[in-house]
Amino acid sequence: RKEVEQDPGPFNVPEGATVAFNCTYSNSASQSFFWYRQDCRKEPKLLMSVYSSGNEDGRFTAQLNRASQYISLLIRDSKLSDSATYLCVVNGAGGYNKLIFGAGTRLAVHP
Amino acid sequence: ETGVTQSPTHLIKTRGQQVTLRCSSQSGHNTVSWYQQALGQGPQFIFQYYREEENGRGNFPPRFSGLQFPNYSSELNVNALELDDSALYLCASSLAAGGYNSPLHFGNGTRLTVT
Repeated sequence: RKEVEQDPGPFNVPEGATVAFNCTYSNSASQSFFWYRQDCRKEPKLLMSVYSSGNEDGRFTAQLNRASQYISLLIRDSKLSDSATYLCVVNGAGGYNKLIFGAGTRLAVHP
Repeated sequence: ETGVTQSPTHLIKTRGQQVTLRCSSQSGHNTVSWYQQALGQGPQFIFQYYREEENGRGNFPPRFSGLQFPNYSSELNVNALELDDSALYLCASSLAAGGYNSPLHFGNGTRLTVT
């Protein structure tokens, strides 16, 4: 089993749609959770951290369920510029800042 | 504030050769991590350096090695290149090792092609 698993995608949605990505992780000792965004042939960039109480940043909402080891990202009112691959990221155990990435879910927003 | 810079941007090597990739960390960051991203996959952790010492390592063979210099810049060396080493190599810096909530800031990567 992979340490971080995501919806395979791709998700093709029209502008204005709401889309949700799901992610599960295997290591119950993980302490930090993130969503990164990666544009084609570019480096990953931090989209948002994910906190236990859930958190929102504009059109983006992240949720964490530690009991189920499940993370989600909701994007409301999708824009063409949201088209990218979204990477679910979990901090691995080991006493240092090692990030474990999911394979990513590709989102394509069309007019 | 200077971001993470990597060089070269692209590189083509032949199987069996050796390669050195370079990374300058973001100003003020003392920890450097290296990741390998194969096509269609998420980045895979290779290793991390803190205060010029390897601070953690992923599931990569010993022919993947690294260095960190006093100015926190870093090198990734790969010996005896194999075709499967073809990937995007990403360097990321952060402020301190062990800081679980420290986000990583990635450079734009070196795309290595092994033929």
